[in-house]
Amino acid sequence: GDSVIQMQGQVTLSENDFLFINCTYSTTGYPTLFWYVQYSGEGPQLLLQVTTANNKGSSRGFEATYDKGTTSFHLQKTSVQEIDSAVYYCAMRELNTGNYKYVFGAGTRLKVIA
Amino acid sequence: GPKVLQIPSHQIIDMGQMVTLNCDPVSNHLYFYWYKQILGQQMEFLVNFYNGKVMEKSKLFKDQFSVERPDGSYFTLKIQPTALEDSAVYFCASSPDWGGYEQYFGPGTRLTVL
Repeated sequence: GDSVIQMQGQVTLSENDFLFINCTYSTTGYPTLFWYVQYSGEGPQLLLQVTTANNKGSSRGFEATYDKGTTSFHLQKTSVQEIDSAVYYCAMRELNTGNYKYVFGAGTRLKVIA
Repeated sequence: GPKVLQIPSHQIIDMGQMVTLNCDPVSNHLYFYWYKQILGQQMEFLVNFYNGKVMEKSKLFKDQFSVERPDGSYFTLKIQPTALEDSAVYFCASSPDWGGYEQYFGPGTRLTVL
């Protein structure tokens, strides 16, 4: 079935470190891919999305490339800041039997130390 | 940006009682969702709802669960009767269309079943 895999449960970095959060997906179709960010005490909010394979999405210094070959959508940022501390969810939206379905990964908790 | 509201923010209830969680979605949105997040675990899809009907539900959406949105008012999740394993944060989300649109999440309702 459709799935989104985030292997890293938690990532701890220092300010100005490079961020890489792993995400792979599995589906038989052509999904739209998303990264959502959830700050403490809030609901998830959209960080970026990419609809077309081989395209890159970017927002607030974060970027992710929809790689259909490796079925990956890794999230990167060159230099993280303490305010980036949050939980990051990779997600996909897939058309399945006439119904759009959203599938979320397990989430990766990012802690940035000043 | 558009806001989804959830009332109450926290609900404590005795096992076996009924509880209704309320969601005020973004005003022009047509599609509504509930997700469940047990403390420390990933967010999981429960149900989506459109035009007065449940479009899709997961295996987590037990027979004790029901959703409705009477006359454009709150989108509600009712649990009757509640069980200990229903303790979680419940997130409501809405979106304007199936196609390529992000979901807007509320801040969540923390349900504690004693």
